[in-house]
Amino acid sequence: AQSVTQLDSQVPVFEEAPVELRCNYSSSVSVYLFWYVQYPNQGLQLLLKYLSGSTLVESINGFEAEFNKSQTSFHLRKPSVHISDTAEYFCAVSASYNTDKLIFGTGTRLQVFP
Amino acid sequence: EADIYQTPRYLVIGTGKKITLECSQTMGHDKMYWYQQDPGMELHLIHYSYGVNSTEKGDLSSESTVSRIRTEHFPLTLESARPSHTSQYLCASSWTGLNSPLHFGNGTRLTVT
Repeated sequence: AQSVTQLDSQVPVFEEAPVELRCNYSSSVSVYLFWYVQYPNQGLQLLLKYLSGSTLVESINGFEAEFNKSQTSFHLRKPSVHISDTAEYFCAVSASYNTDKLIFGTGTRLQVFP
Repeated sequence: EADIYQTPRYLVIGTGKKITLECSQTMGHDKMYWYQQDPGMELHLIHYSYGVNSTEKGDLSSESTVSRIRTEHFPLTLESARPSHTSQYLCASSWTGLNSPLHFGNGTRLTVT
């Protein structure tokens, strides 16, 4: 079975500052990793995913995440955040052989202040 | 843009009532899911479907039931609502295949008084 730990429930940050949202996973088999974002009063949207290949994956809005197998981590980073990045961010994991069961973390609320 | 629609957006209902949460998607996805989301908690998978006439229970035990008579429609029913059912319910869909991401609706926030 897989599990996900998001260590920070809330991350406050000022606009244009860098940010890192931490995600650690546990699994006995190879995994796929995802970050989803949920803006206020909306459903979740896929932000980026790691399936295989390059361990650094990027989104279209400047976020990136790096798969670190030795540390079982998939931290999300952005060098300079905007007010519009304020949202809830969920890390998720699935076994690579069975993506029917996507396991989500408890979420990290990113609050960007002007 | 929303290709997956959930209604109602908010629902406040008394104990013992029967309710149906609607979910429809226009993308032709064969797989559909229901997740339960509570503040500060993980999203929990409560039901999923591989296609028409297919329904499976998820990891979190739920007193709700689902049906999949049409590809685009995956309603969730509670025969007798209780305060413990108060939560946000998120519907999602995807193509079959290991690389297919989930597309989520905006959710239904249910409050049972």
